[in-house]
Amino acid sequence: GAGVSQSPSNKVTEKGKDVELRCDPISGHTALYWYRQSLGQGLEFLIYFQGNSAPDKSGLPSDRFSAERTGGSVSTLTIQRTQQEDSAVYLCASSLEFRYEQYFGPGTRLTVT
Amino acid sequence: AQTVTQSQPEMSVQEAETVTLSCTYDTSENNYYLFWYKQPPSRQMILVIRQEAYKQQNATENRFSVNFQKAAKSFSLKISDSQLGDTAMYFCACGGSNYKLTFGKGTLLTVNP
Repeated sequence: GAGVSQSPSNKVTEKGKDVELRCDPISGHTALYWYRQSLGQGLEFLIYFQGNSAPDKSGLPSDRFSAERTGGSVSTLTIQRTQQEDSAVYLCASSLEFRYEQYFGPGTRLTVT
Repeated sequence: AQTVTQSQPEMSVQEAETVTLSCTYDTSENNYYLFWYKQPPSRQMILVIRQEAYKQQNATENRFSVNFQKAAKSFSLKISDSQLGDTAMYFCACGGSNYKLTFGKGTLLTVNP
């Protein structure tokens, strides 16, 4: 079946602009995760959804970051007033409910100029 | 909270040989899972192998196996008969009761012909 998809694949934006990143999880996966991967670094947890609710938002780095999930499926990560330090690859993953194995999408590379 | 440490930023191995990647972790949880993910230049994170902490038997997946030393909090990955396609960044990860994964900073493995 289809894996996790993310769009856009690459995004270049000017400092101060808002961006939206989209994640489409594997069908039937109720859990969805967002991670950020900065150059040469591991993955940093941002937020986790179970269904449409987000029980863990602890990783969002500032109030410029927000995310929502609708219909228990597609999720959107929004970054307002982008800064250069937001440049990174944003990865989305999904999993079955109460399962640890997460399956990742190809990521969105965000470049803030 | 968990921490994951990968002490080898880079490693190389000759094709057909065996290589072992190191990982140590710390967690306060009794029930947790450990994973190795592979990230080739395509950026797609691929699940390589998983280990349930409550199982003493080391997990194996074809050419990939782990050496899980629970008391030492060590979780190394052994790749046998290395292939050129194994060239990638390898991340060790730990998942606890909140299901989010904590990743190490990764080891860049290069398989030389």
